[in-house]
Amino acid sequence: AQTVTQSQPEMSVQEAETVTLSCTYDTSESDYYLFWYKQPPSRQMILVIRQEAYKQQNATENRFSVNFQKAAKSFSLKISDSQLGDAAMYFCAYRSRGGADGLTFGKGTHLIIQP
Amino acid sequence: DTEVTQTPKHLVMGMTNKKSLKCEQHMGHRAMYWYKQKAKKPPELMFVYSYEKLSINESVPSRFSPECPNSSLLNLHLHALQPEDSALYLCASSPGGQAYNEQFFGPGTRLTVL
Repeated sequence: AQTVTQSQPEMSVQEAETVTLSCTYDTSESDYYLFWYKQPPSRQMILVIRQEAYKQQNATENRFSVNFQKAAKSFSLKISDSQLGDAAMYFCAYRSRGGADGLTFGKGTHLIIQP
Repeated sequence: DTEVTQTPKHLVMGMTNKKSLKCEQHMGHRAMYWYKQKAKKPPELMFVYSYEKLSINESVPSRFSPECPNSSLLNLHLHALQPEDSALYLCASSPGGQAYNEQFFGPGTRLTVL
């Protein structure tokens, strides 16, 4: 079974600064997908960024980028130019490549943006 | 239409009640999911339907009964629930099949069992 670990229960960053959220995972599979989801308070879970394990290039979506280290089983999220709207719970998630498997989530990191 | 809708938004029920949660998507997705999320915890997978057939049941108690009447609709029937079943119930969908795909989440139904 796969496991996902987020070691930072809470992070705080000043508005306009850069913050990095950590995620490690454990799997015996060679092909899989990794995701970062954002869940604002009392609001919907939305996808921030995704990475396919067979792609060596790190994914980037505007101010969000990942550092994917497959050998180290590490998948960190960097948020540049933090904005107040980035405040949320961030979940790292794993999904096997084949079939309609569900997501395995980490425990989440609560991101606070200081104005 | 690129969203997953869930009804009701809130539900309060007694332990002897029978109620149902509804989830709908019109994106042509062929996989649909139910997750349970307790406060300050990550979502936990309950059920997966793939091409309208139940493909994963994560050892969920029988007081939760899923149903997939068609490819756009997913229900979760609730009966004789316990107070510890109070949680946010999230529905998600994905295109399905072997190709890479993300899961699109609905806003959830917040369930309180008295």
